[in-house]
Amino acid sequence: DAGITQSPRYKITETGRQVTLMCHQTWSHSYMFWYRQDLGHGLRLIYYSAAADITDKGEVPDGYVVSRSKTENFPLTLESATRSQTSVYFCASRGHFTGETQYFGPGTRLLVL
Amino acid sequence: KQEVTQIPAALSVPEGENLVLNCSFTDSAIYNLQWFRQDPGKGLTSLLLIQSSQREQTSGRLNASLDKSSGRSTLYIAASQPGDSATYLCAVRQETSGSRLTFGEGTQLTVNP
Repeated sequence: DAGITQSPRYKITETGRQVTLMCHQTWSHSYMFWYRQDLGHGLRLIYYSAAADITDKGEVPDGYVVSRSKTENFPLTLESATRSQTSVYFCASRGHFTGETQYFGPGTRLLVL
Repeated sequence: KQEVTQIPAALSVPEGENLVLNCSFTDSAIYNLQWFRQDPGKGLTSLLLIQSSQREQTSGRLNASLDKSSGRSTLYIAASQPGDSATYLCAVRQETSGSRLTFGEGTQLTVNP
């Protein structure tokens, strides 16, 4: 199916474990983004990527790692999960030209115990 | 640092009412402003995108205006329906922030039948 998908949709893990959240888009969009959404903070950018093999930090990158070996995939890894990383994570993408809309995935709800 | 504020945080109206949601931002050097809708447990859906050179955008019953110099945008919803119930978020893209969006925390709208 066309669009942007995230997996898993729900994840429960324990403190200290490594977790990888997957994001896949079928539009060949250049830009991809990872956000987290928390009550009282709204949506905050974690990392973004302008193209394959190009990534940059957002507002809250600590504790997260990203990679972009292929245009269509942008996985987010929590190297050693902490309770403060319990959140809803959204992936988004947009085309190359300025002004284009960002399209969001359905989100991954992560609970770190 | 850009800050985006949305007032009110929550709004409850009877069906059929026209309503206005407000968004303000502290740094007027924006590239564009985008309004999104978020349904419970879902991702964000783009409603309208206004470039910095534009004053307004319209889509169906929705009209968004932008006053860049005063740092304000409004989303006008005409003849509200229960299906409009959702959280509405605005986000700005800075001229100097590359592709980053800064989000407000949203207005939770409930339209009562």
